[in-house]
Formats: sequence, C-alpha cells, structure tokens
Amino acid sequence: DSGVTQTPKHLITATGQRVTLRCSPRSGDLSVYWYQQSLDQGLQFLIQYYNGEERAKGNILERFSAQQFPDLHSELNLSSLELGDSALYFCASSVDGQDWGWNIQYFGAGTRLSVL
Amino acid sequence: GENVEQHPSTLSVQEGDSAVIKCTYSDSASNYFPWYKQELGKRPQLIIDIRSNVGEKKDQRIAVTLNKTAKHFSLHITETQPEDSAVYFCAGVSSNTGKLIFGQGTTLQVKP
Repeated sequence: DSGVTQTPKHLITATGQRVTLRCSPRSGDLSVYWYQQSLDQGLQFLIQYYNGEERAKGNILERFSAQQFPDLHSELNLSSLELGDSALYFCASSVDGQDWGWNIQYFGAGTRLSVL
Repeated sequence: GENVEQHPSTLSVQEGDSAVIKCTYSDSASNYFPWYKQELGKRPQLIIDIRSNVGEKKDQRIAVTLNKTAKHFSLHITETQPEDSAVYFCAGVSSNTGKLIFGQGTTLQVKP
C-alpha cells in the first residue's frame, strides 16, 4: 500500500456526463499529480498541484479540471465525457522538499473510468 | 521539449536470463530517473531510481546505469523470474519544471 488513496475504484458513466475523481495523498506529501493511462498506453501527465496551487500542466483537456484543497486532497473533474476518455486515472503524491526535482512519486491504485 | 524514449516496447526472455531496457532523454536539465513496474491493472510502483550525480545503482537483481553525456539510462534485471513479468516505465524529472516524463513502457515477459 502506497498510502495514496483514490476513490472510487471504478466508475461507469455515459457520454456527456461529468464525474469527479478523488485523491488523498500520503501523510505529509504536499504535491499531487494526476495521470491518465488509456488501454495499452503509457502514463500521460495531466496536472500537478503543490500545496493548493497549480504547479505544472501537461496534456490536460479543457474539459478536465483539478484542484487541491486546504487538507491537501485533490479532485479531478472530467466533464462532457467522451468515449475516448475511458481510461485508468492515477493520482500520485510526493513530499516536494527543498530539492523538489528529486522527490519520489507514490501512486494510488487508480480509478477505472468507463464511458459508455 | 521534454521527451523520454524507451526501447524495446516488448521484451521476452527465458527465466534466468537477463533483461535490459534502455531509455534516452532530451532535457539536459533532467536530474532524477526513476523506474516503475506496473503489473496488469495495478499501480505503478517504484523499483529503483538514480540521481544525476551517480553513474550506477544496484539493488539485488536490479541495476540502473546512467550516462549523462549521452543522455542514456538503462535498467538491468538479472536472473529473471516469472514474477518479473510486467510493464516497466522509465522516467525523467526535470530540475527546471519538476515534471515526471514517462517513457512509453516496456512489456517484459519472462517465460518459465
């Protein structure tokens, strides 16, 4: 167990709908990262939050948004869902100390989203 | 831009043989290179990492080497076992952006 908690584990919804994925980082970790992994695909970085602020952005669609709350948990909101959004969504967290480029990322178990 | 290329995409070896997975990176500011193992349907798990001030690191049957000049790093697994079968991802972290850029992944199959 990595200490990163993601809910729900599975989500089935229809095209056009909106869903929210939740992530609780490891205790003490200030950074949260979101990744998308489609079938037979690699890990695509979506976005990073550090202590409540957006720090880095990857290939995140405009239909997707995220935020990190004061208690450091994060939510990824996916709207106007399309069939192609079906994927595993992983959250990871890291401490991000002084030398933050070196911090190890620990992954949650993921949320499997199926858009029908 | 930042990019990490990983080869091969699939690798099949006999149990007991060695496996080598290679990655190259483009961002010269990259200073940290973790390797993750992902079993089917499970989370990526860190198995070993190397920092830019080190050329080689070993942990039991797993070793990683880094050539900063050539911007190459490699994962070596010796005496492979069936439980080593998984997808392996290399990654590079830029000290400028902090972004973790993953390679495309290598599916390793160890045949008993």
